[in-house]
Amino acid sequence: QPVLTQPPSASASLGASVTLTCTLSSGYSGYKVNWFQQRPGKGPRFVMRVGPGGIVGSKGDGIPDRFSVLGSGLNRYLTIKNIQEEDESDYHCGADHGSGSDFVVIFGGGTKLTVL
Amino acid sequence: EVQLLESGGGLVQPGGSLRLSCAASGFTFSSCALSWVRQAPGKGLEWVSAISGRGGTTFYADSVKGRFTISRDNSKNTLYLQMNSLRAEDTAVYYCAKAVAAAGADFDYWGQGTLVTVSS
Repeated sequence: QPVLTQPPSASASLGASVTLTCTLSSGYSGYKVNWFQQRPGKGPRFVMRVGPGGIVGSKGDGIPDRFSVLGSGLNRYLTIKNIQEEDESDYHCGADHGSGSDFVVIFGGGTKLTVL
Repeated sequence: EVQLLESGGGLVQPGGSLRLSCAASGFTFSSCALSWVRQAPGKGLEWVSAISGRGGTTFYADSVKGRFTISRDNSKNTLYLQMNSLRAEDTAVYYCAKAVAAAGADFDYWGQGTLVTVSS
């Protein structure tokens, strides 16, 4: 099954841009991942889904146009432009794998985004 | 508006049992797979279990297999998680998550969670 790797932290200044990375383990370059935003004390919120060709489907409800995704090789990127204070959150990527008895859902460790 | 509302969490002793519920509204309940995902204090997300839209197929993480049972009542739009033989390492906020289809785990909505604390 794939492993999803995320850096534990990232930071960006108000109004700047930041790109968060979720890296799939070798052999899983065809997988799509889901990005979730989790504000402190809240449940996760779906941002968008990204595969090797880019966004899959639609953005989550209320996700601003400042958020975009890109897929390249084993990496799935989430870019936030013109960062606002409300973007300070933990960002998780997740994917499902398999079918039948080997079905599992995997998450990366999450990246804590700090807005400076 | 899609809503998922978890309940049933609380403090339980090691070896004890607890049943979580997730009341859903705002979508065609039987058309969507559902999962339980947990988050230990200060940690990341960990998938626990999933159930298909009609309830005929269930999946479990190895860490809970044989101890937890997922089920759903499509007439009541409610998802359940029966947790037995609880351990300290099961302490976490438990979220229910809705998938976009009758199978799989492309989650598009999550609840606010219910806290389970396993301690003597």
